[in-house]
Amino acid sequence: SQQGEEDPQALSIQEGENATMNCSYKTSINNLQWYRQNSGRGLVHLILIRSNEREKHSGRLRVTLDTSKKSSSLLITASRAADTASYFCATDGGSNYKLTFGKGTLLTVNP
Amino acid sequence: SAVISQKPSRDICQRGTSLTIQCQVDSQVTMMFWYRQQPGQSLTLIATANQGSEATYESGFVIDKFPISRPNLTFSTLTVSNMSPEDSSIYLCSYQKAPNYGYTFGSGTRLTVV
Repeated sequence: SQQGEEDPQALSIQEGENATMNCSYKTSINNLQWYRQNSGRGLVHLILIRSNEREKHSGRLRVTLDTSKKSSSLLITASRAADTASYFCATDGGSNYKLTFGKGTLLTVNP
Repeated sequence: SAVISQKPSRDICQRGTSLTIQCQVDSQVTMMFWYRQQPGQSLTLIATANQGSEATYESGFVIDKFPISRPNLTFSTLTVSNMSPEDSSIYLCSYQKAPNYGYTFGSGTRLTVV
């Protein structure tokens, strides 16, 4: 069963704008991860945030985690056309090394 | 992180036939994972493949339909058996370097069953 639910399902913005995607999950986690997928290809790991962390940065990416609300957000600043992709959150429960994926957000960045 | 080479990248198959997908990792990894991504959907875990033991299948997936081999710590195969159009999906393999690391994914196999 799907653990995470992303919103929005689709997001269209102009180059240079910021994009924010949200993820909610249902059970306790060891960490939460964000992935990018370009046009149905393989997934690329973007960033991981542990359950005891509240915020993490990596380049133009900022991830927050609120375990009390069981939610996370991914912010991409100063977006580029090359950021156009599907973005998935995935939770790692820790006990069995399995990832459970959300439904994903399709981000379109218009030049 | 180790690199995963997955092949074939895509195939079009006749219903009733089988397709074997291969994943090769360039270093030894303990567990490998196989996922299915149906059109427009998210990823669903099919099974976890451990070297030296039978794969562990998730609810809704059975060994007769998706047999998995894991002959050594760098290689795994997933077979999609007796295919029907409903099996048309992207299939992906992955592994995790260590706990609290991101997972590395193969480039995916886009399967179309006609």
